[in-house]
Amino acid sequence: AQSVSQHNHHVILSEAASLELGCNYSYGGTVNLFWYVQYPGQHLQLLLKYFSGDPLVKGIKGFEAEFIKSKFSFNLRKPSVQWSDTAEYFCAVIGYGTASKLTFGTGTRLQVTL
Amino acid sequence: DAGVIQSPRHEVTEMGQEVTLRCKPISGHNSLFWYRQTMMRGLELLIYFNNNVPIDDSGMPEDRFSAKMPNASFSTLKIQPSEPRDSAVYFCASGRGQGDTQYFGPGTRLTVL
Repeated sequence: AQSVSQHNHHVILSEAASLELGCNYSYGGTVNLFWYVQYPGQHLQLLLKYFSGDPLVKGIKGFEAEFIKSKFSFNLRKPSVQWSDTAEYFCAVIGYGTASKLTFGTGTRLQVTL
Repeated sequence: DAGVIQSPRHEVTEMGQEVTLRCKPISGHNSLFWYRQTMMRGLELLIYFNNNVPIDDSGMPEDRFSAKMPNASFSTLKIQPSEPRDSAVYFCASGRGQGDTQYFGPGTRLTVL
């Protein structure tokens, strides 16, 4: 069975600080990877995804993530956060296989202060 | 495209009542997912449909929960009878396949008193 770990549960940053949120997964085969964002009171929105190709993926709003297969990681980064990035961030993974389903991490709550 | 549409957006009901949540997926998507989100348990997949057929309902908590997808543009999640522990935000999502991107609806916030 696949699983996803997000080690940072709550991160507080000042505006303009750099962000890195960790995401590790466990699955022995090929995976598709996603980062979703949930702004307060809203639904989940896709930030970026990795299916194949360049392991450095660029998403919306200046976010990027790097897939490191040897480390089973897909960390999310942003060089300079804004107050409007305050939200909860979810990493998700799905392995290739008939029994696979999208598995979400527990989420990281990011609070950006002015 | 209007995106995934869910109704109602908020539902307050009393314990024992039947609750029906509705979802209209994005046109052209053949996969539909129902999730439940709570503070304690996070985001849980309840059931997944592909081409209107339930593929995996292992996440449905118990027999009080049932889901249907009578056609490609409509799905319901029913709870009967409802209990206070069912209080949560229920999201519907759709996509072009199990491994593809899922697009989430705005959710239904259910409160069972």
